[in-house]
Amino acid sequence: EDQVTQSPEALRLQEGESSSLNCSYTVSGLRGLFWYRQDPGKGPEFLFTLYSAGEEKEKERLKATLTKKESFLHITAPKPEDSATYLCAVQAKSYNTDKLIFGTGTRLQVFP
Amino acid sequence: DGGITQSPKYLFRKEGQNVTLSCEQNLNHDAMYWYRQDPGQGLRLIYYSQIVNDFQKGDIAEGYSVSREKKESFPLTVTSAQKNPTAFYLCASSRESGVHSPLHFGNGTRLTVT
Repeated sequence: EDQVTQSPEALRLQEGESSSLNCSYTVSGLRGLFWYRQDPGKGPEFLFTLYSAGEEKEKERLKATLTKKESFLHITAPKPEDSATYLCAVQAKSYNTDKLIFGTGTRLQVFP
Repeated sequence: DGGITQSPKYLFRKEGQNVTLSCEQNLNHDAMYWYRQDPGQGLRLIYYSQIVNDFQKGDIAEGYSVSREKKESFPLTVTSAQKNPTAFYLCASSRESGVHSPLHFGNGTRLTVT
């Protein structure tokens, strides 16, 4: 069964304390992996798409990487405004192109 | 600014009543989607539409209905047949269906049914 698992469920960091969020996936053929950021009471906001193992994307303090089994979202020197829930979603070749499998998210809190 | 507008933000209904959630986009996107978000679960796809006057069921379509009469609009009706309708509902759109077009989400409607 295709599955996406995110860890940890929640992460508390001090401002400036770098860390990584994990998204592991089990799918029969990966079309693409997406990272989204979701603030409380809002809709998710697109961050990155990764297509193949070895690919990396960066945006400000965030860097996403992809292997054949998992993706990491590295947060360097986070600030309080980085506090949000980060969602990972996978598009698998076994489904039509409109199906995304979402993980349950990692809730990040950054304290000053 | 282009975007997706969902209304209302909060909606309260009595059990047994149908309710319609509004979703409008001015991004000129072809594809539109409805997702449901529950605590501790990933987003689940209810319905999606790749083109006007056409839509397909997602993973949890039972108890829901949609229409796509205009490119800009994709309303979702939660019927009394939906066994557990209380949830956060998210509408999304993409320029075209497929992996190269990420989803743009609205800010959701929180539905509470008592």
